[in-house]
Amino acid sequence: EVQLLESGGGLVQPGGSLRLSCAASGFSFSRNAMSWVRQAPGKGLEWISGIRPRADTYYADSVKGRFTISRDNSKSTLFLQMNSLTAEDTALYYCAKGQEDSNYAECWGQGTLVTVSS
Amino acid sequence: DIQMTQSPSSLSASVGDSVTITCRASQGIRNSLAWFQQKPGKAPKSLISAAFTLQSGVPSKFSGSGSGTDFTLTINSLQPEDFATYYCQQYLSYPPTFGGGTKVEI
Repeated sequence: EVQLLESGGGLVQPGGSLRLSCAASGFSFSRNAMSWVRQAPGKGLEWISGIRPRADTYYADSVKGRFTISRDNSKSTLFLQMNSLTAEDTALYYCAKGQEDSNYAECWGQGTLVTVSS
Repeated sequence: DIQMTQSPSSLSASVGDSVTITCRASQGIRNSLAWFQQKPGKAPKSLISAAFTLQSGVPSKFSGSGSGTDFTLTINSLQPEDFATYYCQQYLSYPPTFGGGTKVEI
């Protein structure tokens, strides 16, 4: 059974940093594209970053230059380093498993909440 | 970036009704279109990929159609557990983009 378990969320001050993790199990992690998708309170879904099996990375304009996605295939773990956080980054952050090298998010974790506030 | 326009943004229906949600892409995306269901306080759940392929375990009351720029999700015989918010997403190219969502209410 595929499982994705996000962690690392919390309360951070504007301008601060957080590092999110997503521990994956139940599939061959190294073979799949992975993504981070966020959802601000009461809002829709926003894809923010993706990484392909060969570690090509992609970012939404809203986070480019501030967030960095990475993966550790030996530990089946996905990361998102978030710097220069603002109130607009307050959201529930989901980790999603792609269908092989595709963007299609076939499985999702339960999310980790990031709150940016002073 | 490819823009996804979903309509309606909300709809009211009764148990037993059939409803259709539409999604339009700002440019052709072949059949690289997925539909997701999200219930309050829960993570999104994948229903359909490649415009019409049901994911494992998804009941056949859900169906998708379309190709290119225009797509639809149809839900037949609505049951209480189907009342949720539905999102489309194109995944042809980066960045993958979501529609704004359709809230299906009783």
